[in-house]
Amino acid sequence: QITLKESGPTLVKPTQTLTLTCTFSGFSLTTSGVGVAWIRQPPGKALEWLALIYWDDDKRYSPSLRSRLTVTKDTSKNQVVLRMTNMDPVDTATYFCAYRAPGIVGHPPRKWFDPWGQGTLVTVSS
Amino acid sequence: SYVLTQPPSVSVAPGKTARITCGGNNIGSKSVHWYQQKPGQAPVLVVYDDTDRPSGIPERFSGSNSGNTATLTISRVEAGDEADYSCQVWDSDSDHYVFGTGTKVTVL
Repeated sequence: QITLKESGPTLVKPTQTLTLTCTFSGFSLTTSGVGVAWIRQPPGKALEWLALIYWDDDKRYSPSLRSRLTVTKDTSKNQVVLRMTNMDPVDTATYFCAYRAPGIVGHPPRKWFDPWGQGTLVTVSS
Repeated sequence: SYVLTQPPSVSVAPGKTARITCGGNNIGSKSVHWYQQKPGQAPVLVVYDDTDRPSGIPERFSGSNSGNTATLTISRVEAGDEADYSCQVWDSDSDHYVFGTGTKVTVL
């Protein structure tokens, strides 16, 4: 069974750097094709993809937030860490991490996320 | 960047059919995935690759995709289907992931 759980501060001040950790079980981030994504959702608004890190340490970032985001992995701890700099009140959101499974041999790579962590609400306020 | 547009809300009576659209430029050439999200919960995948259902998802949930519109159809709607639904694609041009604007389904 694959599970993911986000952890980190619930409140950060404007201009500070947010660091969130996704701790997972049930898979290894050394397995070919595996990825872990970060997605956020401001209260009452749509989901927004932020970043994805692959098993081979390749990374993809949302073009609109690329300059502020860094994603890293620690395979020995089964963790993925997201850093977002220069936080602003508009960054108030629930932040989710999610699993991207590898493709099956002979089939296209999987491009969806399942399962997701429960999410963690981060509020940006002075 | 690629944009996915959904209607903000859809209302449906119990036992009827709900159709939730997801519009995007030539979206028919992409694979579309759908998520259900109930209040205070994480999204759950209900349809992937346009038409496939993960195990445990009722057959009442189905998907289609053609031209500029993908559709999630919920047949024989139940009160428990009341939730937000979001579509998602992978944009191969940029190797980025995109979510739709989300639709709130209300069961009357």
